[in-house]
Amino acid sequence: AQKITQTQPGMFVQEKEAVTLDCTYDTSDPSYGLFWYKQPSSGEMIFLIYQGSYDQQNATEGRYSLNFQKARKSANLVISASQLGDSAMYFCAMRELFSNNNDMRFGAGTRLTVKP
Amino acid sequence: EPEVTQTPSHQVTQMGQEVILRCVPISNHLYFYWYRQILGQKVEFLVSFYNNEISEKSEIFDDQFSVERPDGSNFTLKIRSTKLEDSAMYFCAGWTGEKAGNTIYFGEGSWLTVV
Repeated sequence: AQKITQTQPGMFVQEKEAVTLDCTYDTSDPSYGLFWYKQPSSGEMIFLIYQGSYDQQNATEGRYSLNFQKARKSANLVISASQLGDSAMYFCAMRELFSNNNDMRFGAGTRLTVKP
Repeated sequence: EPEVTQTPSHQVTQMGQEVILRCVPISNHLYFYWYRQILGQKVEFLVSFYNNEISEKSEIFDDQFSVERPDGSNFTLKIRSTKLEDSAMYFCAGWTGEKAGNTIYFGEGSWLTVV
């Protein structure tokens, strides 16, 4: 069964600094995708970044990058140059790509607060 | 960018009443999902739907829940007899079915309050 672990219930970062949000996962499927979503106080789920299990390079999307360490089964999100608008809940998620379970399963989330 | 749209955005209902939450997925999506998020908690998978039938469901998705796609466009989640603990944000999501890299796209959610 899939399992996603986010061990940081809350994180604080100073504006303009970088922050790393941790995510570890467990799967027996060799092919999977890892995702990060942002959920602001308004509630919607905003897709940030994707990493495939066979991707050779770490994914990057603007100020977001994913520190993918396959052997450790970790997929940490790095946000560079934090902005006040980055304050939100962040969810790590995984989907096994070649199994019958094609849904996405989420971690418990990390609440990020950016301080001015 | 195409969006998954959900209605209503917020509904208040009395315990025991039936609720129907509606979703209009992106047109080229083949797989549809409902997720639930109780306030302050993680996003939980409820059910996936493909080819007009349920393909997977979680232990949360008991007999009081049902899903259907009545007209080939709208995708609905019905809760037959709501309980207080059904109060949550319900997200509809869709996926094209392409295995390589396409994410699941979420709607903005329907906030259900059972009183």
